Amino acid sequence: GENVEQHPSTLSVQEGDSAVIKCTYSDSASNYFPWYKQELGKRPQLIIDIRSNVGEKKDQRIAVTLNKTAKHFSLHITETQPEDSAVYFCAASRLEYGNKLVFGAGTILRVKS
Amino acid sequence: EPEVTQTPSHQVTQMGQEVILRCVPISNHLYFYWYRQILGQKVEFLVSFYNNEISEKSEIFDDQFSVERPDGSNFTLKIRSTKLEDSAMYFCASSDFLDNYGYTFGSGTRLTVV
Repeated sequence: GENVEQHPSTLSVQEGDSAVIKCTYSDSASNYFPWYKQELGKRPQLIIDIRSNVGEKKDQRIAVTLNKTAKHFSLHITETQPEDSAVYFCAASRLEYGNKLVFGAGTILRVKS
Repeated sequence: EPEVTQTPSHQVTQMGQEVILRCVPISNHLYFYWYRQILGQKVEFLVSFYNNEISEKSEIFDDQFSVERPDGSNFTLKIRSTKLEDSAMYFCASSDFLDNYGYTFGSGTRLTVV
């Protein structure tokens, strides 16, 4: 089955700097890669996603890149702000009806002001 | 914006007791899921449900677990005889293939087994 590895487990950056979180997946059939932000005690919130027919997607300060050949995808946050501090999870799935998400272990992002 | 609602938000139960966690998925969604998250760990898939039957389940989802859609709106997770290691946050989610593949998670039920 699918296995998703995520690095780093913790990341501290200065406010205004960029943050990059990387994930690798094992199942070449996976074709949907969402990123979730989770604040303490709250639900995972989808912040951006990418499908395997696209190499990069951007939404304001957040971007995701996908390398299908290498089976890895990355989250890039530019101009970080203290409110970006949270746990970020990547996930992978096959875009068929009702397929499960397989999550990475998460990255604790701390933005220091 | 449509939401997935879960009740209760927090449940404390004694080991060996049965618990039922409730979820109301988004009304036009067709696929329903339960995930769990042990404190400080990743979100793990438990089960998916479509057309009134389980479509996939993980190794975690053993005979102690069951799911049901008792009416047109609720989706429940039952744990028959809770163990200490069942303590976790349980998230319900729903999705609609047509909705930009948008999984929506509920706010979760924190289950504490004592």
